[in-house]
Amino acid sequence: LAKTTQPISMDSYEGQEVNITCSHNNIATNDYITWYQQFPSQGPRFIIQGYKTKVTNEVASLFIPADRKSSTLSLPRVSLSDTAVYYCLVGPKTGANNLFFGTGTRLTVIP
Amino acid sequence: ETGVTQTPRHLVMGMTNKKSLKCEQHLGHNAMYWYKQSAKKPLELMFVYSLEERVENNSVPSRFSPECPNSSHLFLHLHTLQPEDSALYLCASSQALATNEQFFGPGTRLTVL
Repeated sequence: LAKTTQPISMDSYEGQEVNITCSHNNIATNDYITWYQQFPSQGPRFIIQGYKTKVTNEVASLFIPADRKSSTLSLPRVSLSDTAVYYCLVGPKTGANNLFFGTGTRLTVIP
Repeated sequence: ETGVTQTPRHLVMGMTNKKSLKCEQHLGHNAMYWYKQSAKKPLELMFVYSLEERVENNSVPSRFSPECPNSSHLFLHLHTLQPEDSALYLCASSQALATNEQFFGPGTRLTVL
């Protein structure tokens, strides 16, 4: 599984757009990029997944450059309830049992 | 609500006790997983079941014993645990085995005294 690197923590004010970048230099051809969100004392929640270019859903956008060695999760106009740990995972869409979550990025939204 | 429930949500047990954690998924999924999350450590995959058959055991000590009686239920039986086993135990399910989109339950916060 490709190793990922993301900032340990970030702070943002309410209403701002937040971009969390993940580096995955050793991403394989059949690897997808998946982001999860975890609130304290809860299980992680799938947010978004992409392979290349841009993916958008009702929660976030995921930007993936052509070389796919990094990706950026974009959260529009964050609120206090977006305070959580965000994990970037890289691996094949199927065929790998072990989702390696790493230590994630702890996002704190400030009023 | 993710469609995956876990009970109990909190558990305190002594090292000589025997207890069980329960997970139930209401999503019609075929694969279920147990993870352990310790403070300041990444999630660790413990066990994987596909259609009630165990397909992976990630070198987990025998004091943890999983059971999957059907595709909707998963148990983790605990006995003679150590204080370092205190952690958040998470259950997850996925539609098919080994996909990147897994649905997690809220977890059981376990404290071993």
